[in-house]
Amino acid sequence: GEDVEQSLFLSVREGDSSVINCTYTDSSSTYLYWYKQEPGAGLQLLTYIFSNMDMKQDQRLTVLLNKKDKHLSLRIADTQTGDSAIYFCAEAPSGTASKLTFGTGTRLQVTL
Amino acid sequence: ETGVTQTPRHLVMGMTNKKSLKCEQHLGHNAMYWYKQSAKKPLELMFVYNFKEQTENNSVPSRFSPECPNSSHLFLHLHTLQPEDSALYLCASTSGTGESGELFFGEGSRLTVL
Repeated sequence: GEDVEQSLFLSVREGDSSVINCTYTDSSSTYLYWYKQEPGAGLQLLTYIFSNMDMKQDQRLTVLLNKKDKHLSLRIADTQTGDSAIYFCAEAPSGTASKLTFGTGTRLQVTL
Repeated sequence: ETGVTQTPRHLVMGMTNKKSLKCEQHLGHNAMYWYKQSAKKPLELMFVYNFKEQTENNSVPSRFSPECPNSSHLFLHLHTLQPEDSALYLCASTSGTGESGELFFGEGSRLTVL
């Protein structure tokens, strides 16, 4: 079946850039997502990218997609303590929510 | 209230107990989901309901029994659970079948099975 892999933990200093990486196996994935889970909360959609795009930028967030290598990354510029959370990568072949496959999540710790 | 509300937030139960988790959404959505979140594991989809009809059951053991009386409410009935069932159970909802891929999540019910 489909598989989405992420590293479990990332620590960065406040003000630095964070890069969270994800690899997926389903070559038919057409939509790829980043969800954020703050402590004690549910997941919230941060951003998504269509598979025909290489990059998407939204304020401090940059999503890069390498479709050949099935690699997705999320870059957070000027990381703040409020960015501390778990970031989930997810993919879906048709963009349908019920078909989403999530990764394990990467816990981002922002230190002073 | 707005969004997706789950109760209780925390639950401790023995293996022989019967308990239920409740989810309520105030977003006017017609699809509701149960997910299981365990440490160091991918988020697992358990059940999907669309217009009160179950459309997905991802090989979930029968000790988990969902119920969807209407499009706004979703329950997960728990009976004779195992310690490995301890996890955060997340409810989510979408409009339609969620073609945008955007799930709206509740804060979760943290379950501990002793």
